[in-house]
Amino acid sequence: QSALTQPASVSGPPGQSITISCTGTSSDVGNTDLVSWYQQHPGKAPKVMIYEVNKRPSGVSDRFSGSKSDNTASLTISGLQAEDEADYYCCSFASGITYVFGSGTRVTVL
Amino acid sequence: QVQVVQSGAEVKKPGASLKVSCKASGSTFTNNYIHWVRQAPGQGLEWMGIIYPSGDGTSSAPNFQGRVTMTKDMSTSTAYLELYSLRSDDTAVYFCVSESPATGSLQYWGQGTLVVVSS
Repeated sequence: QSALTQPASVSGPPGQSITISCTGTSSDVGNTDLVSWYQQHPGKAPKVMIYEVNKRPSGVSDRFSGSKSDNTASLTISGLQAEDEADYYCCSFASGITYVFGSGTRVTVL
Repeated sequence: QVQVVQSGAEVKKPGASLKVSCKASGSTFTNNYIHWVRQAPGQGLEWMGIIYPSGDGTSSAPNFQGRVTMTKDMSTSTAYLELYSLRSDDTAVYFCVSESPATGSLQYWGQGTLVVVSS
């Protein structure tokens, strides 16, 4: 069970939109709608930003959106803000009642 | 407000065993799946395993099978993670996470427990 593949880093100026990809296989991302995204600031516990591919929990800004195509899920942050600078992880349900996280992406606001 | 509170930091010798506890408030514990996730220093999140709401079933990541035990004490609303035959690369922050029954996501995170494995 290998980690899902994410770009190591993505950056953009304030106000821009960025997209983070999360590539898995037909045994995980491609075979489930239980794909979620987590934001983690340094020294803090992660926070769920997107669940079930494209749903936002209460209280999460609508600047965050999710999608999926085949074995790749994506997280888009629109109108990038300074507080969005953090690490982001995707997570997918996988075979045999297991889960797998992505490798993580550092988002930098220029 | 849901709270998940974990036990404190520990230092272990290679070959020893580890037991981390996680106390969650009320219905969070009895009705929810509890996940264990760890994060080595400067590294990403690693899913370790899950224990079912009633505590009668578990599933763990292939990397940990045979080396991990997850349990729940329903009388004290406390979940436990035990990891055996510790190695230096088990040094990490271990998180207990309560899954939201409404969203199926890892919603309620504990503060994390730092475990250092060193001779």
